[in-house]
Amino acid sequence: ENVLTQSPAIMSASLGEKVTMSCRASSSVNYMYWYQQKSDASPKLWIYYTSNLAPGVPARFSGSGSGNSYSLTISSMEGEDAATYYCQQFTSSPSTFGSGTKLEIK
Amino acid sequence: DVQLQESGPGLVKPSQSLSLTCTVTGYSITSDYAWNWIRQFPGNKLEWMGYISYSGSTSYNPSLKSRISITRDTSKNQFFLQLNSVTTEDTATYYCARGLRLFDYWGQGTTLTVSS
Repeated sequence: ENVLTQSPAIMSASLGEKVTMSCRASSSVNYMYWYQQKSDASPKLWIYYTSNLAPGVPARFSGSGSGNSYSLTISSMEGEDAATYYCQQFTSSPSTFGSGTKLEIK
Repeated sequence: DVQLQESGPGLVKPSQSLSLTCTVTGYSITSDYAWNWIRQFPGNKLEWMGYISYSGSTSYNPSLKSRISITRDTSKNQFFLQLNSVTTEDTATYYCARGLRLFDYWGQGTTLTVSS
């Protein structure tokens, strides 16, 4: 199966700071998907087809990448962005998820 | 609005089978998409378990292939997960979700504990 490795596992950012997190795939994928999960809630689709924001996602978020390497960027950290972010692929079956990056407020 | 709602027993004994139901409102499961089961283990690892498509075809994670079955009742707009021979390692929060490549609608999740 295609293993997705997210880094860092945990990070903290100050309000207004730029944030970038990474997702690396063991095999090349066509697209990467990202989900946001807050405590005691279901994951929410956040970014689809690598760089498209899901409805309601603030424009300060962006996604990029190709092949084996993808990233999610927040241009200016806000308090509501504190959460865990997971990447996911379904280029090859089984679909797999990364282990998550937990983003905290510094 | 599309909504998914999981339901299940909460507690299952080792070696037994677990059965979960996902009730979908706001969209017919026979119209389009795949209807998935995804679980999240303590420690937060997410695992895709499998899906049943709008046409009734199924696809399963090979790690579960011998134990898993996903079926549906189109008259009730529900789909089901059955997992046989459970162990304590099947303790997790189980989600149902819509999507073929990405998962755009999720249920709120149901926690299942495997314990004697």
